[in-house]
Amino acid sequence: AQTVTQSQPEMSVQEAETVTLSCTYDTSESDYYLFWYKQPPSRQMILVIRQEAYKQQNATENRFSVNFQKAAKSFSLKISDSQLGDAAMYFCAYEYFGNEKLTFGTGTRLTIIP
Amino acid sequence: DGGITQSPKYLFRKEGQNVTLSCEQNLNHDAMYWYRQDPGQGLRLIYYSQIVNDFQKGDIAEGYSVSREKKESFPLTVTSAQKNPTAFYLCASSPGGGQSYNEQFFGPGTRLTVL
Repeated sequence: AQTVTQSQPEMSVQEAETVTLSCTYDTSESDYYLFWYKQPPSRQMILVIRQEAYKQQNATENRFSVNFQKAAKSFSLKISDSQLGDAAMYFCAYEYFGNEKLTFGTGTRLTIIP
Repeated sequence: DGGITQSPKYLFRKEGQNVTLSCEQNLNHDAMYWYRQDPGQGLRLIYYSQIVNDFQKGDIAEGYSVSREKKESFPLTVTSAQKNPTAFYLCASSPGGGQSYNEQFFGPGTRLTVL
């Protein structure tokens, strides 16, 4: 079975600084997708960024980028120029190609210090 | 506005009672999902449905039941057999239909408390 591990229950960062959230996963599959979801205090889950395993290039969405290391099964999220609105729970998730089911990590609570 | 609605936002139930959580989507998505969220445990899949009139158990289906009679609706019933039902419940949908990947869109959630 696939598992997703987020080893940092809580992180904090100064406003305007950069922070990296870690995620590792375990799978025997070669075709899959990885996601980072954000859950702000409103508890509405929002997709931040996704990565296709077959792509070597790391995904980027504005201030959010990933470091995808397929061999190491590592998928970290980097947030640049942190803003107060980035404060949230961040969940890493895995989807096996064609499976249509997500497996989530336990989340990292990110606090932004003004 | 297209999206997913869940009602009610807060729900209280007495121990031993069944309760049904509503989930409706107007995104014309084929697939729908129910997750349970507990502190420190992330989201765990309860049931999912890839097409009308069909659904499959997720990782923690015991004590729950669902139906999918209409494409836009996927209600979840928490039965009295669920031993620890107090949690936050999230509904999601995705295009489905065998697309290359399925971004899941989430509703605002229902907080269920058993008294």
